[in-house]
Amino acid sequence: SQTIHQWPATLVQPVGSPLSLECTVEGTSNPNLYWYRQAAGRGLQLLFYSVGIGQISSEVPQNLSASRPQDRQFILSSKKLLLSDSGFYLCAWSVPVSTGELFFGEGSRLTVL
Amino acid sequence: GQSLEQPSEVTAVEGAIVQINCTYQTSGFYGLSWYQQHDGGAPTFLSYNALDGLEETGRFSSFLSRSDSYGYLLLQELQMKDSASYFCAVTQGGFQKLVFGTGTRLLVSP
Repeated sequence: SQTIHQWPATLVQPVGSPLSLECTVEGTSNPNLYWYRQAAGRGLQLLFYSVGIGQISSEVPQNLSASRPQDRQFILSSKKLLLSDSGFYLCAWSVPVSTGELFFGEGSRLTVL
Repeated sequence: GQSLEQPSEVTAVEGAIVQINCTYQTSGFYGLSWYQQHDGGAPTFLSYNALDGLEETGRFSSFLSRSDSYGYLLLQELQMKDSASYFCAVTQGGFQKLVFGTGTRLLVSP
């Protein structure tokens, strides 16, 4: 069966520090991969999605970047965090056809102080 | 651009029926999904409508009208565990790009 893992689950970082969140998927090949951010009590904002290795689409101009070095690995990074980067970050995967179904990881809660 | 609108909060009692509406404006529409999210947890998939009509899955049903750019999620025989946030999401493009609404918080009381 397919599984998705992301880490770390929780982190507290000072303003200006770097960030790296990692997500891996098991049990499937050539998945679509996504990074979403959710502010407290708000909806999910699509940050990046990828349909293949090295193929990244950015949805919102921001302080973040994403990379897909392997088929089932998706990394979210920042060189210098801002206060506004705080939130709940969710990685997800899907099959590469329209089913409307995303499978989400457990999430990473980031607090920037 | 795209936008999805849902009520911010809905309240109901156990055993009741509740409907959560979603209207959308988007280009490249492929379908409408619904997700449930409990506090502190990740969203989980409930249903997907690509064609007009009603889809039923147990106590939950979802409806889509493409001509009206409108859909709803119907929850029957409400239980306390149904208290959660519910999101509609539009699939744009054939490669499964999902844009989510702002969510509806459902509070079920005894």
